[in-house]
Formats: sequence, C-alpha cells, structure tokens
Amino acid sequence: AQKVTQAQTEISVVEKEDVTLDCVYETRDTTYYLFWYKQPPSGELVFLIRRNSFDEQNEISGRYSWNFQKSTSSFNFTITASQVVDSAVYFCALSADSWGKLQFGAGTQVVVTP
Amino acid sequence: KAGVTQTPRYLIKTRGQQVTLSCSPISGHRSVSWYQQTPGQGLQFLFEYFSETQRNKGNFPGRFSGRQFSNSRSEMNVSTLELGDSALYLCASSGGVSGNTIYFGEGSWLTVV
Repeated sequence: AQKVTQAQTEISVVEKEDVTLDCVYETRDTTYYLFWYKQPPSGELVFLIRRNSFDEQNEISGRYSWNFQKSTSSFNFTITASQVVDSAVYFCALSADSWGKLQFGAGTQVVVTP
Repeated sequence: KAGVTQTPRYLIKTRGQQVTLSCSPISGHRSVSWYQQTPGQGLQFLFEYFSETQRNKGNFPGRFSGRQFSNSRSEMNVSTLELGDSALYLCASSGGVSGNTIYFGEGSWLTVV
C-alpha cells in the first residue's frame, strides 16, 4: 500500500521568506514517481515537479527547489523568496504500483502575506 | 498546447439524479484518470482508463462509473446521487511525450442538494 504524509497543515509567511514543505512517503515498490502540485482557489491542480525513484539528484528550478532522500523516504519542496501568488494548497503525490494512479497527501495550505 | 479540458465546470443536481462529467485529455495522451476531492476525504483516486480499458479502480461504490472513447476522451457517471457526492471532480491525463507526468484539468464542481 502507498501512503503520503504531509504533516504541515498550514504555513504562514511574509513575502520574500522561504517556505519548505515536508513530504514523507511509504511504498514497497522500487520504481516510483513523486510529484508536487499546487492548487489555487480555482481548483485546478498545477503540476510543479516530478522525480523518479532512481534519480536522487536535487535541482533548482527558478524559485522552486526540492530535496529527495530515499534513505528517509522524504521529498521536501522549497519556495525561495515567496510571493503572494504562491498562496495555495500544495500537494505531494506518489505514483507507484500503477501509472496514472496517484496517492496524495492531505495537502499544506501556504499563506503568503505582503 | 491545450491542457486537460473538463466540462461542465459547475453543476447542481438533486439527490437521486445522475450526472455525467466529460474530460478531454491533452493531445497524444492515452491515459485518463479521475479523482474526487472533498474537504473530509481529500483527493481520492476513482479510476483510470488507458486505450478504452479501465486499468485501475479506486474504492468507490458501483454508482461511480466511467468510460473512455477511441479518441481518448473520457466520461464519468455518478448515478443515484447522494449529498456526500458533492465534490470537486478532477480529471488527469498522461502519456505521449509527457511520459509519466500527470496533468490535471480545472475540475468539475458538483453540488448535490
């Protein structure tokens, strides 16, 4: 069985502060994919990043960066220099036993105030 | 490049009625999956279709069904609506040059009264 845990329910920051979102996953599969999605109030889930289980290289893309550590089953996501437009719910998700089937975490509400 | 398109965006139905939601995937994507999002249960997987065949099904009652057409467009149907079916229904597609990246539509907001 797959499981994704996002322990942080809500994070509030002031603009330009960095925000790190935690994600811990469980799976017995050796090949899997991890995702981060952003959901603004409109409802659409916006794809942010995807990592494969066999690639632990951490990268930075603009203001986004992520830290994937298989040893601790964690896939944390950081927004650098947050902006008001970053206010949304962020979901971590795992795809393991079947392509197209995602197991989501409960989500973390990020509130960025000016 | 057009994204995943869902229709209708908003709808209100009466308990006991049935509803059909439509999803057009990104061009070239052959996998379409559906999710239900509610405040209490979060995001839950409903089912996934690939080449007109249901490949996976989540833990939902038989009132929830779906299908996929030869052009990869998909529909989901909920019969005998209950108040608890009020939710945001999200469709996602993947495949083609996008590989394993799963893209979502804007969703269909269903309210059952």
